[in-house]
Amino acid sequence: QVQLQESGPGLVKPSETLSLICSVSGVPITSHYWSWIRQPPGKGLEWIGLVYYNGHTDYNPSLKSRVTMSVDTSKNQFSLKLTSVTAADTAVYYCARDTVTTGGGFDPWGQGTLVAVSS
Amino acid sequence: DIQMTQSPSSLSASVGDRVIITCQASQDISKFLNWYQQKPGKAPKLLIYDASNLETGVPSRFSGSGSGTYFTFIISSLQPEDIATYYCQQYGNLRTFGGGTKVEIK
Repeated sequence: QVQLQESGPGLVKPSETLSLICSVSGVPITSHYWSWIRQPPGKGLEWIGLVYYNGHTDYNPSLKSRVTMSVDTSKNQFSLKLTSVTAADTAVYYCARDTVTTGGGFDPWGQGTLVAVSS
Repeated sequence: DIQMTQSPSSLSASVGDRVIITCQASQDISKFLNWYQQKPGKAPKLLIYDASNLETGVPSRFSGSGSGTYFTFIISSLQPEDIATYYCQQYGNLRTFGGGTKVEIK
C-alpha cells in the first residue's frame, strides 16, 4: 500500500523559503513521477510541479521562477522549495504520486500540511 | 498554458437526482482528463482517469465522457455521501485543475 506523508514548518515568514518533504512508503520512489499540489484556504487546487528520480522536473509556469523540486532516493523522499514567499502562498500543500504518464491520475495523496506565511 | 473551465461552480440537487458537471479545455487535450472528489478537510480522491475510466472501487453511479476540449462528469443518482467538491484535471500539457464544483443536497 503506497502512502505519502508531508512534513515541514507550518509557519514561514514573508520573503523566506518554504521547504517541505514528502516521505513515500510502500513503493520505491524511483518507480514513479511525484507531484506537489496546493490549495489556499477555501479555494481550488493548484498544481505546483512534478519530479522524477533522475532529476527531470516540470513546473507550473506561474511558479517556475520560485520552485525547486528534488528526489532523495536514499530516503525515499522528495522535496519542494518555494522561494520569496508571500501571504498568497498560504495553503495546504499536498504531495501525490503522479501516474498521469501511465494512464492514471494523482493517486494516492498525502494528508496535506498547512503552511501559513506570516511575520 | 491550458486553462480548464468547469461549470457550474456549485449546484444543489436532491437525493436520487442526476448531476452533470462539465469541464472545457482551452485547447485539445485528447482524453487526458481526470476527475477528483474532495470532501471537507480531506485530500482529493481520484474517481475517473483518462476521461472515462472508473478507478477501482469507485461506485458505478459515477461516470465520465468526452474528448478533445469538452468533458462531462455524471452522478447518475446522487447519494448523501456524494456531497463534496469535484475537480477536473488535465494532463495533455503539464497539469491544470478546473475551478471545482461544490455539490450540495437540496
